[in-house]
Amino acid sequence: SQQGEEDPQALSIQEGENATMNCSYKTSINNLQWYRQNSGRGLVHLILIRSNEREKHSGRLRVTLDTSKKSSSLLITASRAADTASYFCATDAVFLGTGNQFYFGTGTSLTVIP
Amino acid sequence: NAGVTQTPKFQVLKTGQSMTLQCAQDMNHNSMYWYRQDPGMGLRLIYYSASEGTTDKGEVPNGYNVSRLNKREFSLRLESAAPSQTSVYFCASSLTGQGYEQYFGPGTRLTVT
Repeated sequence: SQQGEEDPQALSIQEGENATMNCSYKTSINNLQWYRQNSGRGLVHLILIRSNEREKHSGRLRVTLDTSKKSSSLLITASRAADTASYFCATDAVFLGTGNQFYFGTGTSLTVIP
Repeated sequence: NAGVTQTPKFQVLKTGQSMTLQCAQDMNHNSMYWYRQDPGMGLRLIYYSASEGTTDKGEVPNGYNVSRLNKREFSLRLESAAPSQTSVYFCASSLTGQGYEQYFGPGTRLTVT
């Protein structure tokens, strides 16, 4: 399976600290995306990084991609209690005709303690 | 815009019963998807549809059927529910092509007893 694996599975930090979570995948990709899921809700897109990019920033988010190691990391700086959620990476490695198929990782559960 | 809507939000079925999960999007997206989410397994793709009139199997299609009724609607049917299908089901949509984000519905929590 192409499914990614996030590491760690769970992370607990104090408000104001930085949170780093990692994603590893198995085959070559076109893009890698990160999503957030609040408890009991659907996933919300955070950021996309293309296979020819190494780093991308969006507000307090910083994403890196190392295609040689087939891994990505998501850094959330100056965390807030509202960042408490599960975070998933998703790769779209397969491009079938005009469609695209996503593979999601197993997620990192982040708890930010006020 | 409502985005992606799903009905019902919760459902309890007995083994062998059938039901259809409904999904609709108002973002004029061509691609739509059905996922299931189980603890420790992440999201797994059941079926997807790249355009109206086309559907394709994902990772875990067994026990499910889908219908792309029109551009807006994509339904998932369980013909004979099994306890292994107890899960949270998410519908998503996106523009077609590489590099587009997916927009998710709120999910349907299904329990099969």
